[in-house]
Amino acid sequence: AQRVTQPEKLLSVFKGAPVELKCNYSYSGSPELFWYVQYSRQRLQLLLRHISRESIKGFTADLNKGETSFHLKKPFAQEEDSAMYYCALSENSGSARQLTFGSGTQLTVLP
Amino acid sequence: ETGVTQSPTHLIKTRGQQVTLRCSSQSGHNTVSWYQQALGQGPQFIFQYYREEENGRGNFPPRFSGLQFPNYSSELNVNALELDDSALYLCASSLRQGKAFFGQGTRLTVV
Repeated sequence: AQRVTQPEKLLSVFKGAPVELKCNYSYSGSPELFWYVQYSRQRLQLLLRHISRESIKGFTADLNKGETSFHLKKPFAQEEDSAMYYCALSENSGSARQLTFGSGTQLTVLP
Repeated sequence: ETGVTQSPTHLIKTRGQQVTLRCSSQSGHNTVSWYQQALGQGPQFIFQYYREEENGRGNFPPRFSGLQFPNYSSELNVNALELDDSALYLCASSLRQGKAFFGQGTRLTVV
């Protein structure tokens, strides 16, 4: 069965420091992976998806099929990056597209 | 363009009762997915509706059921509520298998 693991429930870094949020997955097919973010009192929103190979708000994530990882990185963290981050894997369930989420990492960027 | 809205925002029910949660899709979206998010966990896929038909289901019992209406709004119904059903219920709308936009959620407490 598909599974997404985020080993760190809490992560704190200082402003300006690099940050890496870890995500590992298990999936037998060709995965499509996403990072979602939830800022305080806001709804869950898409941050980035691996097929776009984009950088959003300075964040990047590279799919490593050998290590089955999709870690989220930013070279210089900002206080406004403090939020809950979820890694998610998309798969087909019947004709539906469902997301399997990890349990999330709460990132706190300290001043 | 209107976003995804869910009602009510909070709800308290007694064990054994039935509950209906509602979701209005983002304008133009024809697909609605429902997720359950228990405290400290990531969202878990319940089911998805496309053009008024259920087209995918996660690992939830039949007492979780849904509807989608011609205007693509949706309901989630839960019968015979159990204490473990206490969670945040999220609705997400999309255009078929496109980017999913989430609502703010309904917090259900079963006592």
